[in-house]
Amino acid sequence: AQSVTQLGSHVSVSEGALVLLRCNYSSSVPPYLFWYVQYPNQGLQLLLKYTSAATLVKGINGFEAEFKKSETSFHLTKPSAHMSDAAEYFCAVRGASKIIFGSGTRLSIRP
Amino acid sequence: DVKVTQSSRYLVKRTGEKVFLECVQDMDHENMFWYRQDPGLGLRLIYFSYDVKMKEKGDIPEGYSVSREKKERFSLILESASTNQTSMYLCASSWGGRGGELFFGEGSRLTVL
Repeated sequence: AQSVTQLGSHVSVSEGALVLLRCNYSSSVPPYLFWYVQYPNQGLQLLLKYTSAATLVKGINGFEAEFKKSETSFHLTKPSAHMSDAAEYFCAVRGASKIIFGSGTRLSIRP
Repeated sequence: DVKVTQSSRYLVKRTGEKVFLECVQDMDHENMFWYRQDPGLGLRLIYFSYDVKMKEKGDIPEGYSVSREKKERFSLILESASTNQTSMYLCASSWGGRGGELFFGEGSRLTVL
């Protein structure tokens, strides 16, 4: 079985500041991990994915995430926040079959 | 580009009505999924399908059924809609294999009165 925990349902940062969105997972098999972003009134789109290659994964829009097996974490970061990053972000894990999503983190950007 | 199309963006139905939500993908994906999205709960898997005429229950299948008669189409059916099924419904598809990411439609917001 697998599960995902996203720490913090709402994160607020200033424009230009570091963005850090936290995700911890559990999986009974080596996991495949994903981060998705959802803008208002839209479906989800893939930011990046980890599929057992490099542990540091780079995605779109300047985001990246690091897979840390010892910490069962896959935190999402961006060095400098932009107003257009305001959205909801979902971490997901795929175990043997299903893809399970976290409860989401809403990111707000202060001018 | 992969396109996943959900037939209705907004629906309003009455309690007890039968509701069909349609989803079509154009990339010959083997896998298709239905999720519902509620504030604070994230996305919860209702049903998924790995092949035509195949279906598997997800985490919250009660009150729902699905149909996959053709590879590109995956329908979600609410036999008798209830107010607690008011939600955003998201359809997704992916290639076979564990590494395949999901491609999502824009969602169908259902309100049951």
